[in-house]
Formats: sequence, structure tokens, C-alpha cells
Amino acid sequence: EDQVTQSPEALRLQEGESSSLNCSYTVSGLRGLFWYRQDPGKGPEFLFTLYSAGEEKEKERLKATLTKKESFLHITAPKPEDSATYLCAVMEYGNKLVFGAGTILRVKS
Amino acid sequence: DGGITQSPKYLFRKEGQNVTLSCEQNLNHDAMYWYRQDPGQGLRLIYYSQIVNDFQKGDIAEGYSVSREKKESFPLTVTSAQKNPTAFYLCASSRDGLTDTQYFGPGTRLTVL
Repeated sequence: EDQVTQSPEALRLQEGESSSLNCSYTVSGLRGLFWYRQDPGKGPEFLFTLYSAGEEKEKERLKATLTKKESFLHITAPKPEDSATYLCAVMEYGNKLVFGAGTILRVKS
Repeated sequence: DGGITQSPKYLFRKEGQNVTLSCEQNLNHDAMYWYRQDPGQGLRLIYYSQIVNDFQKGDIAEGYSVSREKKESFPLTVTSAQKNPTAFYLCASSRDGLTDTQYFGPGTRLTVL
């Protein structure tokens, strides 16, 4: 059975304190890995798609990387407005998206 | 602006009632999806549709029904057979099938009284 595990469940950072979120997965054939940001009471907002090991994508203070077994979302010098739940999802060939439970990020000023 | 709209934002239901959640998109996407989100769990797929007049069950379809009569619309009915319907419901769409990036609507929070 496909599994997606995100860690940590929750992360508290001071403004400017860089860190990383992890998404580990077990799928038979990765079609793509997706990162979303979700604010409380709202729908997920698409951030990145990664397709192959070694691929990296960046957007403002966020950088996503992918290996054969996991993905990292690196947050550099975070600001309070980066506080949100970050969701990871994987898609294997011919199948649906499987979501992790998310990491709740809180950035304090 | 192109996007996905869901209505209502909040919905309250008495036990034994059926309720219908609306989802509309103007992105000209072929595929649409319904997910359920519960605290501490990942999003779970209820139903999906890759084309008009066709839809498939996801992982947790029991107690739910859908229709896809128009490309833009994919309403979800939560029936009285759904034993624990209180949750946050999210609609999404993608350009094609199950292989493209899915974009989400703002969600509907359903509470059973």
C-alpha cells in the first residue's frame, strides 16, 4: 500500500531560523511529488511539482528537493506569514494522489 | 479570474438529511475531484471524474454520490448513509486525468447537528 509520511507533525521556528520539512514515501513508480500550502479553514494552495530524483524547485523562501525515497521542503529565513500547514502528496503511474497528514509550521516574530 | 468555487462555506445538517455541496470551475479543466479532510489525517479521495457523464469511486465513496452533467460542475451529495459526515470537504480540478497538478477550491465545512 502506498504511504506518505510527513515529519515533524509540528514545527515552531523563530523568524529567520531556517529549517526543513520531510516527506518520505513508498510507491511502486513515482509519477510526481506535489507540495501544497494550506492556511486554516482554506483549500490547499499549489507550490511545487517534482518529477525525478535530483530535481529542485524554488519559490521565494521555499526550496523543494527530491530523492528516490523522500522530499524536503527547505524554508530559508522564514517570516510569520510562512506559518501554515504544508502538505505533501505523491502520485504513482496510473493512480491517484496520496496525501501525507501535513506539517504544521508556526513562525514567531 | 479563473478558479474553483465551492458553496456554501459552512453547512449544518441534521442527522438523516441529505445535503449537496456545490463545486464549480472556470479553468476549462477536464478532471474534477472531491476530497474529505479530517484533523490529523491526509486528504482522502471520495470521487473523481475525468470527463463529463463519467465518474469513479475513490477510497471512501460509501455514503456519498456525485454527478457530472457539465464540464464546469461536480456536485457532491452527502447522504444519510454516511455515518460520520462532519468534516472539511475540498473540491479540486486538473487539466487532464489523474496525472496533472490538482488545484483546490476554498472548501466547505459540514457539521452534523
